Amino acid sequence: AQSVTQPDIHITVSEGASLELRCNYSYGATPYLFWYVQSPGQGLQLLLKYFSGDTLVQGIKGFEAEFKRSQSSFNLRKPSVHWSDAAEYFCAVGDDNYGQNFVFGPGTRLSVLP
Amino acid sequence: KAGVTQTPRYLIKTRGQQVTLSCSPISGHRSVSWYQQTPGQGLQFLFEYFSETQRNKGNFPGRFSGRQFSNSRSEMNVSTLELGDSALYLCASSPGGTANQPQHFGDGTRLSIL
Repeated sequence: AQSVTQPDIHITVSEGASLELRCNYSYGATPYLFWYVQSPGQGLQLLLKYFSGDTLVQGIKGFEAEFKRSQSSFNLRKPSVHWSDAAEYFCAVGDDNYGQNFVFGPGTRLSVLP
Repeated sequence: KAGVTQTPRYLIKTRGQQVTLSCSPISGHRSVSWYQQTPGQGLQFLFEYFSETQRNKGNFPGRFSGRQFSNSRSEMNVSTLELGDSALYLCASSPGGTANQPQHFGDGTRLSIL
């Protein structure tokens, strides 16, 4: 079965600094990978997805992620963080069975200092 | 296009009662998935419905059940509520025609068990 780890429970960065959130997955075949963001009291919003092809994918709000098969990683990056980026970030993996059965990582809470 | 709508937003119940949560997917989406989110266990997949049939199921007891109607709206029912059922219940929809499509989440129903 697939699994996802996000090694960092909580990260604090200063506004304007760069950001990298780590995600490692365990899955035998080519994974379907997603990053979602959740603001307090709200549902999850899709930031970006990787299915195949170019290993660097661009998402909304200036985020990007790089798929590295050799490291089983799908790290999320942003060159300059804004205060509004403070939220919880979830990495998720889907399998190739027909349907929608995503496994989510535990999440990384991002705090942004002014 | 209206997003995923979950009702009610907040619910308070006591142990032993049952509860029904509702989810209206994005228009045209035929797949509806349900997740339970708690601080201790994170996001856990409950089940997925597609065209009124349960297509995938997570590892939850039979007290958790769901159904989907012909208009793709879905309900989730939890019987004999336990304190541990206190959680944010999230619904997500997707077109559903192929596997691993990005899911669009509602803002959730916050269920508190007293």
